[in-house]
Amino acid sequence: DAGITQSPRHKVTETGTPVTLRCHQTENHRYMYWYRQDPGHGLRLIHYSYGVKDTDKGEVSDGYSVSRSKTEDFLLTLESATSSQTSVYFCAISLGGRNQPQHFGDGTRLSIL
Amino acid sequence: AQSVTQLGSHVSVSEGALVLLRCNYSSSVPPYLFWYVQYPNQGLQLLLKYTTGATLVKGINGFEAEFKKSETSFHLTKPSAHMSDAAEYFCAVSDLTGANSKLTFGKGITLSVRP
Repeated sequence: DAGITQSPRHKVTETGTPVTLRCHQTENHRYMYWYRQDPGHGLRLIHYSYGVKDTDKGEVSDGYSVSRSKTEDFLLTLESATSSQTSVYFCAISLGGRNQPQHFGDGTRLSIL
Repeated sequence: AQSVTQLGSHVSVSEGALVLLRCNYSSSVPPYLFWYVQYPNQGLQLLLKYTTGATLVKGINGFEAEFKKSETSFHLTKPSAHMSDAAEYFCAVSDLTGANSKLTFGKGITLSVRP
């Protein structure tokens, strides 16, 4: 398995609170991604990074921010969580290049009450 | 932009029966295609990929997929289903419109295997 660790694995919090999810990799892959998975929607890209301090938005980026200060860590922050952000969040990594697959972490289940 | 269509959300087969999970893609250029499997409470695991070359691609756990350009399809098959194949399956296509590496996923198909 790819060396990807997501933390926390489960979190319950209240509306309006800030939340930060962490993705840590030991593979030295250039690309890192954050997705959310919701029933009926498959996986939707939130943000991704193509290097330290280089990030870009995905299709569902509103309400989320990211940071990547080191190759191995990619943080996803919900500045003020809302109930619509209740979801399962997955981090993925890739070497980059269109023929390269992405490798996924085990996910973080986030519930916002 | 690229897109992926996985018709239906659920497929049920008997143990030992053929598994066929359909995937159609839309792409303005030759696509790179992937199938992933997700077991409960786990992340996605790569089953197989098509980039260039042979259009019949073999993957892990006895699965294979055939790229058919004329039909814009990349259907996943397994000759004989096993109980352990019960999972959710996602088809994905690589993004070829930008300089950066992204995937577009279908909505997924849940495979159930009956004893």
